[in-house]
Amino acid sequence: KQEVTQIPAALSVPEGENLVLNCSFTDSAIYNLQWFRQDPGKGLTSLLLIQSSQREQTSGRLNASLDKSSGRSTLYIAASQPGDSATYLCAVFSTTSGTYKYIFGTGTRLKVLA
Amino acid sequence: ETGVTQTPRHLVMGMTNKKSLKCEQHLGHNAMYWYKQSAKKPLELMFVYNFKEQTENNSVPSRFSPECPNSSHLFLHLHTLQPEDSALYLCASSQGVGAGYTFGSGTRLTVV
Repeated sequence: KQEVTQIPAALSVPEGENLVLNCSFTDSAIYNLQWFRQDPGKGLTSLLLIQSSQREQTSGRLNASLDKSSGRSTLYIAASQPGDSATYLCAVFSTTSGTYKYIFGTGTRLKVLA
Repeated sequence: ETGVTQTPRHLVMGMTNKKSLKCEQHLGHNAMYWYKQSAKKPLELMFVYNFKEQTENNSVPSRFSPECPNSSHLFLHLHTLQPEDSALYLCASSQGVGAGYTFGSGTRLTVV
């Protein structure tokens, strides 16, 4: 059964710092992995999607990497800003009980201090 | 706006009420999903529709009844809910199952 873990659950950093958020999954047979951002009480905004054949994806100050064999993905945020404060969720698309679906982690709540 | 619109944004209902949540997407996607997000728990997939056909019901109680009249609209009909059903209900769509998801802003449901 696929399980997704995100550590740490919460993180506070000063503005301008580079930071890494971690996501690990137990079954390496994934189709793709997606990182999302969620502001309090709001829906999820897609940040980056990495296919299983890819090693990384970049968008602006964000870079996501994928190491399927070790069951890990990282989201790197460069030069963090207070506006980056949100909960970051990763989700892996893989089979569970014979059907393909996204399995979500519980997220990392990030606070960037001005 | 992400292209997936959910209404209402907030809903308070009694345990004997009947209400419906609505989701609409104009992205040309053919798959739509309902998720439940409770505090401190991972998102839980409830239902999957692909080309208007339900392809997954993730052991959801019958007090939640989905409806997908076409590929652009998805409803979640609610009746006789329990206080533990209070949560953020999120709708998502994708171009095919497994393609990246686009989420709506959610409906915050409180059952009293």
